[in-house]
Amino acid sequence: DIVMTQSPASLSVSLGERATITCKSGQSLFYSSNNKNYLAWYQQKPGQPPKLLIYWASTRESGVPDRFSGSASGTDFTLTISSLRAEDVAVYYCQQYHTTPHTFGQGTKVEIK
Amino acid sequence: QVQLVQSGAEVKKPGASLTVSCKASGYSFKSHGIGWLRQAPGQGLEWMGWINGYNGHTNYAQALQGRITMTRDPLTSTGYMELRSLTSDDTAVYYCARDRSGYEDDAFNLWGQGTMVTVSS
Repeated sequence: DIVMTQSPASLSVSLGERATITCKSGQSLFYSSNNKNYLAWYQQKPGQPPKLLIYWASTRESGVPDRFSGSASGTDFTLTISSLRAEDVAVYYCQQYHTTPHTFGQGTKVEIK
Repeated sequence: QVQLVQSGAEVKKPGASLTVSCKASGYSFKSHGIGWLRQAPGQGLEWMGWINGYNGHTNYAQALQGRITMTRDPLTSTGYMELRSLTSDDTAVYYCARDRSGYEDDAFNLWGQGTMVTVSS
C-alpha cells in the first residue's frame, strides 16, 4: 500500500494568517500519460463527511474558495490556506488515488490561535 | 438535488453481517462509480473498495477480501455494501461516496451522510 505521511498532526494559526499542510507519498503519484498527480485534499468538520477541496494535486473543486490551493513537487504535496477564516477549522486529509487501496494521510487538525 | 442518502445506524453482534445502502439522486447513476470508506471513532479514513456504476465491476481492499461484497441496482440508483464476520474492529462510521468522473482512479466529490455501525456483544 502507498503510505501517505501528513504533517503536522495539528496546526494553530491566527485568523487571516497562512496555514500550510504537507503530505508526502511513499511513491510517485504521477502518470506521464496525462501529466497528472493522483492526489486529493479533503476537509472534514466534526460530525460531517469529508468534502473534496482539491484534486489532481492542484485543481480546485467547484465552489471551493480560492484561498485554498494545492501544489506538488515530486512526492511532496502541499495544501495552503492563504488567509485562515473561522469556518476553516477542520481536519484536512490528503488521499492518493493512483493505486488501490486509495490511502489517506493521518489528517491535520487546523485550529485558531 | 444531487445527493447520496445512506441507511440508518446499526448495532451488530460479533460474527454478524452488515448491509449498508446508499441511494443516489440528482445525477446519472451509471455515469459514476461508488466508493465505500469507513472511519473508526477518532481515527482517519480507510478506503474499502469501489464499484462501477455502469457495469458493476468491483475492486476491494485486500485487507477486506473475502468479507466484503459491493453491489448496485441501477433501477433504484442504489449501492450496497455487505460486510461479514464482524468484529469490534469494524465499529466505525461507514461512508459511500461518488467518484468525480466514473473512473476508479479519481477523487470523491459527493459523499453520503455516513452510517454509524457499532459491533458489540
